[in-house]
Amino acid sequence: AQKITQTQPGMFVQEKEAVTLDCTYDTSDPSYGLFWYKQPSSGEMIFLIYQGSYDQQNATEGRYSLNFQKARKSANLVISASQLGDSAMYFCAMREGSGNTPLVFGKGTRLSVIA
Amino acid sequence: DGGITQSPKYLFRKEGQNVTLSCEQNLNHDAMYWYRQDPGQGLRLIYYSQIVNDFQKGDIAEGYSVSREKKESFPLTVTSAQKNPTAFYLCASSPHTSGGAFYNEQFFGPGTRLTVL
Repeated sequence: AQKITQTQPGMFVQEKEAVTLDCTYDTSDPSYGLFWYKQPSSGEMIFLIYQGSYDQQNATEGRYSLNFQKARKSANLVISASQLGDSAMYFCAMREGSGNTPLVFGKGTRLSVIA
Repeated sequence: DGGITQSPKYLFRKEGQNVTLSCEQNLNHDAMYWYRQDPGQGLRLIYYSQIVNDFQKGDIAEGYSVSREKKESFPLTVTSAQKNPTAFYLCASSPHTSGGAFYNEQFFGPGTRLTVL
């Protein structure tokens, strides 16, 4: 069964507007972490933001925020004030349990920012 | 500068040949990982290692082999048994954690793009 689902293969957003990238996850482990990575066309993976299953507040990092709805098992990424440089692939990922267990990734969403 | 290096950036292989992708890190991280990325498929785990001289298979280990003789190095060999090896390969590492912490970012290398001719 797919653990991470990203239902939007591609998204367009106007420059300076906000955009939400969807991510739903599936786990029976009460302890887990959710991550978002950005992958520009160069291929590098850039860590954006993290949310732990026990965190009471939604995570924020600059223009990135995570809309964490635990009961719905969703962890949507919100990018405010989009910039042209935000055009990239965005991946949601999850780690169950603790330590160094590998991240499990969704299939990604390609975001295109339009001037 | 600390980081993860992967070499080469582009690699071409003839069918039936084995090829080894290099991954080195100077971050003193305990765990290292190999992922494969195909268009529209996201990242899929090939192998990972949480400690020197130990490694575990991921979801798509068939046709691949790894070794972890040194903490800094985790080379991946793509064997002739791998039916469709053309893909983008990403190596990652993460530090040791204790106390049940599951916040542990994975740091990625720049990737190697393998093409089978």
